[in-house]
Amino acid sequence: NAGVTQTPKFRILKIGQSMTLQCAQDMNHNYMYWYRQDPGMGLKLIYYSVGAGITDKGEVPNGYNVSRSTTEDFPLRLELAAPSQTSVYFCASSDSSNQPQHFGDGTRLSIL
Amino acid sequence: DQQVKQNSPSLSVQEGRISILNCDYTNSMFDYFLWYKKYPAEGPTFLISISSIKDKNEDGRFTVFLNKSAKHLSLHIVPSQPGDSAVYFCAASDHSGNTPLVFGKGTRLSVIA
Repeated sequence: NAGVTQTPKFRILKIGQSMTLQCAQDMNHNYMYWYRQDPGMGLKLIYYSVGAGITDKGEVPNGYNVSRSTTEDFPLRLELAAPSQTSVYFCASSDSSNQPQHFGDGTRLSIL
Repeated sequence: DQQVKQNSPSLSVQEGRISILNCDYTNSMFDYFLWYKKYPAEGPTFLISISSIKDKNEDGRFTVFLNKSAKHLSLHIVPSQPGDSAVYFCAASDHSGNTPLVFGKGTRLSVIA
């Protein structure tokens, strides 16, 4: 029972580098989400998707891109890493928009 | 502008006593509320929810109360156990699904044995 799987768990990037955070879910959920959590703060929505081929911006989308080519996968792309993007990133999925979301265990990203 | 506020960053409670975690919201369109629990190095896990058509929902040791007129909800844990020590997030949305979940900043609960 994998649920939502995020890779990698940890990563250190240099300023200006790019990387993709992977997220996969095996629950056949239509809705998927990316959040970031900064120390002492709540979860802030970066992007979300209501189904394959459909994505929309959340509260803090700048500096990120997403794609949703399959129901299972929802990768998050950082093109030019900046220190302000140091955070813990959580991916989540849900059956519908008003059902509880299931979260992965997060990716801790440091940009130096 | 915080639409969901958890004004207590932390709370300490003795084992066996009641823990009460509070949450306030400002958006009157919110009609669906959830509590999530988060342990270190793990993702949040869903705990309990309540729709605005109810004022109370109970699941074992966990009860959520909703006061719509005050735009306030609370999570009661009784009796509190050391394993309940975690960060608790309140979240809200509208049932139409037009608004993604909005999370509070969380309250760190420590249950002392």
